[in-house]
This record gives sequence, structure tokens and C-alpha cells, in this order.
Amino acid sequence: GAVVSQHPSRVICKSGTSVKIECRSLDFQATTMFWYRQFPKQSLMLMATSNEGSKATYEQGVEKDKFLINHASLTLSTLTVTSAHPEDSSFYICSAVLGRTQYFGPGTRLLVL
Amino acid sequence: ELKVEQNPLFLSMQEGKNYTIYCNYSTTSDRLYWYRQDPGKSLESLFVLLSNGAVKQEGRLMASLDTKARLSTLHITAAVHDLSATYFCAVDKVKSGGSNYKLTFGKGTLLTVNP
Repeated sequence: GAVVSQHPSRVICKSGTSVKIECRSLDFQATTMFWYRQFPKQSLMLMATSNEGSKATYEQGVEKDKFLINHASLTLSTLTVTSAHPEDSSFYICSAVLGRTQYFGPGTRLLVL
Repeated sequence: ELKVEQNPLFLSMQEGKNYTIYCNYSTTSDRLYWYRQDPGKSLESLFVLLSNGAVKQEGRLMASLDTKARLSTLHITAAVHDLSATYFCAVDKVKSGGSNYKLTFGKGTLLTVNP
């Protein structure tokens, strides 16, 4: 149980385009999901907290207009990287909360050319 | 601000040897996590430590928690090559003004076990 999926697993896009990443809790409902970003050989950095039915809460230094988060249902949160640039290339990982435990998705590798 | 420090950040060891990874955190927390990450993959949960003195073991890995010292250790016994990965500890804390538990991660320890 407590499985989280992400789609796509890998995406390559051109600079200036937007990319949407989906995070789904497959066998449980999650009021709260988190989005992390991980650069090569670095730790995970929390980008934002996604709450179903309300606005996301962004960490300091994360541009909310660039990283749009929508948590439209109890099993789905989406992260849209708008007008992506090469510096946005990274590994994006989501997690969904059940109780107090975060269950992590498999990650999405974004490469912006 | 909660800070989580791991050491060492890099660990190269021979198969069959023992070693310990340390995780210090700066403020009170009652829950500490250990994760494993293989290259190109997401996090795999290893242990959740919930109370002072907690000890958990799975195979060649054993984790412990000392909340008074704000220290957790991940001990590796008789390492094998398959244990090569990056290991993260993380501490959660209630976000002020809300009910969301946010994880703060250490920088990770890259473990390489050589034959």
C-alpha cells in the first residue's frame, strides 16, 4: 500500500516551453503533497506544500509564478514549470502524506534544452 | 530553523567492514527517518525512529536515535557491494501555524562499497 506515482518519469523540452508533472497517490487519499527538487549530487530541497482545495505554500526563494501547483483532488497534484529554462533542469520528486508519513514518488527528470 | 547535518558526506569502504553514519539535528523533534537513494532513483524508506533510545535493524543496517543528544546513527555491518547508495537522514517538524509536517534532509552520505 501507500504507492505514489509520477508522470512523466522523464521529459525533455525546449527553453521557453511549459512542462506539467503529475503526482498521484494510487491507493490512498492525500490532503497534503509536497514537491521537492534535487540537483545532481545534492540533497532534496522542498519547493512547496500542496494542499487539496487551497493554494500551495511555497518555500522561500521559490517563484510561485514559475512553478504552478494545482491540487485538484485528493489523489492528484500537478506541478507546472512555466517558461522553462536550462537552469530548471533537475530531478523533481513529489510525496504524498498519509497520517504523518510522506510516501515518495519515483521522480521526474526534467531536461530543458 | 531546523538544521540536519550528516557525516561523513562520502564514505568508501571495503566489503566486510563496519562503519557508522552520523546524523545531528539542531532542534527538538520526535521523529527521524533514514532513506536510501540509488542513482537516478527516488527515495526508499529504510527506518522511522520514533522515540529516544529507539533501535531498528534490517539486514546489515541498524539505526538508532538519541533525542537528548539530537543524534541518530546508521550502522553498517559487514558491508556488501549492494549497499552502495546515497543515504539520507531527515527530521520532520510541525510547520509553525499549521499542521503540515515538513521534512528537513541532511546532505546525504554517498556510500561506496568496494569488493
